[in-house]
Amino acid sequence: EAGVVQSPRYKIIEKKQPVAFWCNPISGHNTLYWYLQNLGQGPELLIRYENEEAVDDSQLPKDRFSAERLKGVDSTLKIQPAELGDSAVYLCASSSRRLGGEQYFGPGTRLTVT
Amino acid sequence: QKEVEQNSGPLSVPEGAIASLNCTYSDRVSQSFFWYRQYSGKSPELIMSIYSNGDKEDGRFTAQLNKASQYVSLLIRDSQPSDSATYLCAVMSDAGKSTFGDGTTLTVKP
Repeated sequence: EAGVVQSPRYKIIEKKQPVAFWCNPISGHNTLYWYLQNLGQGPELLIRYENEEAVDDSQLPKDRFSAERLKGVDSTLKIQPAELGDSAVYLCASSSRRLGGEQYFGPGTRLTVT
Repeated sequence: QKEVEQNSGPLSVPEGAIASLNCTYSDRVSQSFFWYRQYSGKSPELIMSIYSNGDKEDGRFTAQLNKASQYVSLLIRDSQPSDSATYLCAVMSDAGKSTFGDGTTLTVKP
């Protein structure tokens, strides 16, 4: 079974530029998460989808971040414009409530904003 | 106070010893508990899940949950150098909200 796929793996952009991350979850997983992880810290939730509905986006900085999960499968997270403080690893994870809610993570995207 | 607290470490144990990792949480309605291992530069990978009070064993790993004390732990028996990593505790509420601790860094010395 294929795991969670993310792209790109690495991205370097200048501040004020836009950037987008893509995630394809494990087949059959209805819940999709986007996390931000800074060095030495645990993942921090940005947004959680149940199928195509964003059920928890309270920590998403909506002035510059947006996300979508069309058709309830793959998802895109966008930042526009990027700031220096956005440099971090962006992780996507998926889970199935029916199977206990265990989350499986993709490899992440390491974003560097210069 | 963070919702999920872990000792940051580093925790250092000799090879073959038992490593004990602890986690406390503040939300009493938490229902599901998970331990993830994260190697440097890699993403978290699930080690164990536990949903009810008591112990759950899987190979060299044992998870322990005490909901009354809001405490969950992970024991690693016969620790190996390959167990050296950061261990993340995650707590999920009945509504599906998931919160991670900042992790404990474990070093197993040969």
